[in-house]
Amino acid sequence: AQTVTQSQPEMSVQEAETVTLSCTYDTSESDYYLFWYKQPPSRQMILVIRQEAYKQQNATENRFSVNFQKAAKSFSLKISDSQLGDAAMYFCAYRKPNAGGTSYGKLTFGQGTILTVHP
Amino acid sequence: DTGVSQDPRHKITKRGQNVTFRCDPISEHNRLYWYRQTLGQGPEFLTYFQNEAQLEKSRLLSDRFSAERPKGSFSTLEIQRTEQGDSAMYLCASSRRGYGAYEQYFGPGTRLTVT
Repeated sequence: AQTVTQSQPEMSVQEAETVTLSCTYDTSESDYYLFWYKQPPSRQMILVIRQEAYKQQNATENRFSVNFQKAAKSFSLKISDSQLGDAAMYFCAYRKPNAGGTSYGKLTFGQGTILTVHP
Repeated sequence: DTGVSQDPRHKITKRGQNVTFRCDPISEHNRLYWYRQTLGQGPEFLTYFQNEAQLEKSRLLSDRFSAERPKGSFSTLEIQRTEQGDSAMYLCASSRRGYGAYEQYFGPGTRLTVT
């Protein structure tokens, strides 16, 4: 079974600084998808960034970028120029590809990292 | 574009009672997922529908839990004979069909408290 581990329960960053959130995962699959989701307090979860395992290039979305190390099964999220609105719980998630069989829809989440942004 | 909606947002019930939650996905999405999230933890998969067919159920989904998606539109999640351990946030998500890293859009959740 796939597992996702976020070893940092809490992180903090000063506004305008850069912070990196860590995620490792375990899978025997060669093709899969990885995601970072953001869950602000009392608000719904939204997608921050996604990465296809077959792509060597790291995904980037504005101030958010990932460092995807497939061999090491590591998928970290870097937030540049942190803003107060970035404060939230961040979840790393894994999904198998749509190659048939079971479990090709569900997301497996890590435990989450609470990010605090200080003004 | 209307997002995923869930009703009710909060539910307090006494142990042993039955509860039912509703999820309305984004209209063109044919895939619908239910997750459970306990405080300070990541969501855990419960079950998944493609149109009206329930394609997968987690072992977390005991026989007290049942989910339906009649006509492939909204979905309901029922918990019978609730227990205190059922207290959690129940999240619904939907996505379109297709290959690729398509996004699952999440609803605001239903917070269940069993007293």
